[in-house]
Amino acid sequence: NAGVTQTPKFQVLKTGQSMTLQCAQDMNHNSMYWYRQDPGMGLRLIYYSASEGTTDKGEVPNGYNVSRLNKREFSLRLESAAPSQTSVYFCASSEATLPGNTIYFGEGSWLTVV
Amino acid sequence: GQQLNQSPQSMFIQEGEDVSMNCTSSSIFNTWLWYKQDPGEGPVLLIALYKAGELTSNGRLTAQFGITRKDSFLNISASIPSDVGIYFCAGQGDGGSQGNLIFGKGTKLSVKP
Repeated sequence: NAGVTQTPKFQVLKTGQSMTLQCAQDMNHNSMYWYRQDPGMGLRLIYYSASEGTTDKGEVPNGYNVSRLNKREFSLRLESAAPSQTSVYFCASSEATLPGNTIYFGEGSWLTVV
Repeated sequence: GQQLNQSPQSMFIQEGEDVSMNCTSSSIFNTWLWYKQDPGEGPVLLIALYKAGELTSNGRLTAQFGITRKDSFLNISASIPSDVGIYFCAGQGDGGSQGNLIFGKGTKLSVKP
């Protein structure tokens, strides 16, 4: 029962470094998402992919890029990390983006940019 | 844009007490979801609500979709220590980005044994 799996779990980056967060789901879901969670801010959507081959910006896309590699995998890339990107990142998936489709979350990736 | 106000921000209660938290929106939602997040984990869905007025239970948890479609509440009866965590409401409305589920800022629940 893997569900949504994301790696790495923890990462420390220097300002200006790049890295990619990987995410895979085994539920045959069409839609995948990347959120960030900051203290007192709740979860905010960075990017999402409604279906394989499409990606769209969410609430806070600046400084990030995404790739929907195939139906299972959706990666998040930081090209030049900044301290403001220190956060907990959650990948999620759902059968579709329509209202009523439950979103399932991975366990999170803790990223610190120094 | 759509905003959610979740309250209270935190609660510190005695084991056995009932808990109530709520979310209100500045606009109408079609779906309300309640999630719980344990420390170091991702949010896990507790209850999903799809119709105005809907009242749904999951064990000791009960949630309602407000008649106005602008609010929802979550009640936990007879709290136990494992209820500790952060509870998030989330809503999804019409139009705009279909992928954008709006989250409240969370209610942090602490339970004293």
